Amino acid sequence: SAVISQKPSRDICQRGTSLTIQCQVDSQVTMMFWYRQQPGQSLTLIATANQGSEATYESGFVIDKFPISRPNLTFSTLTVSNMSPEDSSIYLCSVEGGKGSTEAFFGQGTRLTVV
Amino acid sequence: GQQLNQSPQSMFIQEGEDVSMNCTSSSIFNTWLWYKQDPGEGPVLLIALYKAGELTSNGRLTAQFGITRKDSFLNISASIPSDVGIYFCAGPRGAQKLVFGQGTRLTINP
Repeated sequence: SAVISQKPSRDICQRGTSLTIQCQVDSQVTMMFWYRQQPGQSLTLIATANQGSEATYESGFVIDKFPISRPNLTFSTLTVSNMSPEDSSIYLCSVEGGKGSTEAFFGQGTRLTVV
Repeated sequence: GQQLNQSPQSMFIQEGEDVSMNCTSSSIFNTWLWYKQDPGEGPVLLIALYKAGELTSNGRLTAQFGITRKDSFLNISASIPSDVGIYFCAGPRGAQKLVFGQGTRLTINP
């Protein structure tokens, strides 16, 4: 399985500011995914990030709020823009287990608290 | 859309007891995945199931893919303190995207 590193692991941010979360993978992957896990809740997919194309967002998530970059096959960033306390969540980066595999592997997550 | 209903939402057991949790779907899945999430960590894949009726073990964990392809269960035998965490079922929803159950929070009393 791939080794996935996320930075920062946690942060406390002021409302109205933005935070960029980085995700680094130790091998090249075609698809990377960003999930949100609100306190005490399950995981919800925000968007799919493919290298060389714009990210595809799930219903309820928009690019202006969660811009994503995917400059190469081992790296992606997710920005949480103009934050409010409702954005306090764990944000998780995920990659496919292999080409065409359904399995997914996750980074350790970024715990964001907005005050 | 596809939804996964996972139960129970939480369990409080004594060390050494067996644990059983299940997941049901309103639609058919071709794959069932079971993950565990420790506090402050991302989910870790425990077991993947690919075939209806399949029964797969990973140490003290056993999971089965239901014959109807709309359900799966996970059993943990002889629980130990490190089994504490949140267990999620998941299934594919389109191109390698996953939909997750609500999770089962397991607490173990020593």
